[in-house]
Amino acid sequence: DVKVTQSSRYLVKRTGEKVFLECVQDMDHENMFWYRQDPGLGLRLIYFSYDVKMKEKGDIPEGYSVSREKKERFSLILESASTNQTSMYLCASSLGQASTDTQYFGPGTRLTVL
Amino acid sequence: AQKITQTQPGMFVQEKEAVTLDCTYDTSDPSYGLFWYKQPSSGEMIFLIYQGSYDQQNATEGRYSLNFQKARKSANLVISASQLGDSAMYFCAMREGRGNTPLVFGKGTRLSVIA
Repeated sequence: DVKVTQSSRYLVKRTGEKVFLECVQDMDHENMFWYRQDPGLGLRLIYFSYDVKMKEKGDIPEGYSVSREKKERFSLILESASTNQTSMYLCASSLGQASTDTQYFGPGTRLTVL
Repeated sequence: AQKITQTQPGMFVQEKEAVTLDCTYDTSDPSYGLFWYKQPSSGEMIFLIYQGSYDQQNATEGRYSLNFQKARKSANLVISASQLGDSAMYFCAMREGRGNTPLVFGKGTRLSVIA
């Protein structure tokens, strides 16, 4: 079974703090993704990566950066957290380049910025 | 413009009845895939079913089936014999082109199954 883990289920941070959200997958997947989920807006793509040290901006990259130093790990960084970044963050991974490849999700991190 | 539209924010269904969750999509790419996910209150996204644009038959997975109408650009999820455990958010998603392209999600439909 594919396993995608995220470092925290719940996180509370203060405005201006630097925040790291970690995601690890154990199935040697090439592609990894970060989404945020807000009520009524569905899932919106922040960043994705299709190889180590590669990253691509998604639809809402402002205020975020990412790091992928190893294939299994994809980190989302909030350089200076703001209250409008309070959200559910979901990490996902997929195997390769086949159009049928499913994205598998982690359990999510619910981040509150005070 | 939205690529995935789910027009039903919320739906109710009686236990053991069938229910259809609507999804329409917009793409000019001839190669695409459509996915449905379930998100229970625990928050985890669970993959349910996949339909490829070149698939000749509607996809089925247990109690889940996909009513794929390519000309209408719709990919509705049908859940047969609803169970209380089916109460969740359901998301339709699309991938255009190759597998390293991210999925684009609709806003979801909240399904509530009533005993």
